[in-house]
Amino acid sequence: GEDVEQSLFLSVREGDSSVINCTYTDSSSTYLYWYKQEPGAGLQLLTYIFSNMDMKQDQRLTVLLNKKDKHLSLRIADTQTGDSAIYFCAANSGNTPLVFGKGTRLSVIA
Amino acid sequence: DVKVTQSSRYLVKRTGEKVFLECVQDMDHENMFWYRQDPGLGLRLIYFSYDVKMKEKGDIPEGYSVSREKKERFSLILESASTNQTSMYLCASLQGGITEAFFGQGTRLTVV
Repeated sequence: GEDVEQSLFLSVREGDSSVINCTYTDSSSTYLYWYKQEPGAGLQLLTYIFSNMDMKQDQRLTVLLNKKDKHLSLRIADTQTGDSAIYFCAANSGNTPLVFGKGTRLSVIA
Repeated sequence: DVKVTQSSRYLVKRTGEKVFLECVQDMDHENMFWYRQDPGLGLRLIYFSYDVKMKEKGDIPEGYSVSREKKERFSLILESASTNQTSMYLCASLQGGITEAFFGQGTRLTVV
């Protein structure tokens, strides 16, 4: 089955760019997602990308997909203290359950 | 505003008790999921359901069961709660062919 890996911690200074990386194993995964979890809250979908895309940009967020290496990244430009949260990478194929990574805790230093 | 509602934010139960965690969605979604979230382990899938009265085991079903008698409601049952089931439980729903899974706020269960 699918396995999703991501680093557990990232610390950046306010105003810098953050890059959170993720790798997955199942090349048949059709959708790749980034979810954000703020303290005490459920998961909120930030963005997603189809496997036939290389890049997707949405305001401060840029998602890059390297399908050959099964590598996904999320770049947050001009990181703010409000971006401090846990970021989860996830993958699935249509109706199948999402498989999540362990989450990357992003700390933004003022 | 679409919504997935979990009946409790916080629960404290005793070892051996039968525990029901309820999840209701108002989006007429076919697919519903129960995950547990533990520090350093991320979200792990317990059970899921593609339709009423259907259920499928996820990665860690041991010690849990589920019930889906109505499309909008998916219940997670701990038949005899144990301390290693202390965790955050997250319910999600997803419409087939649509990309976004919606999550509830989570239930933090403590078993003492």
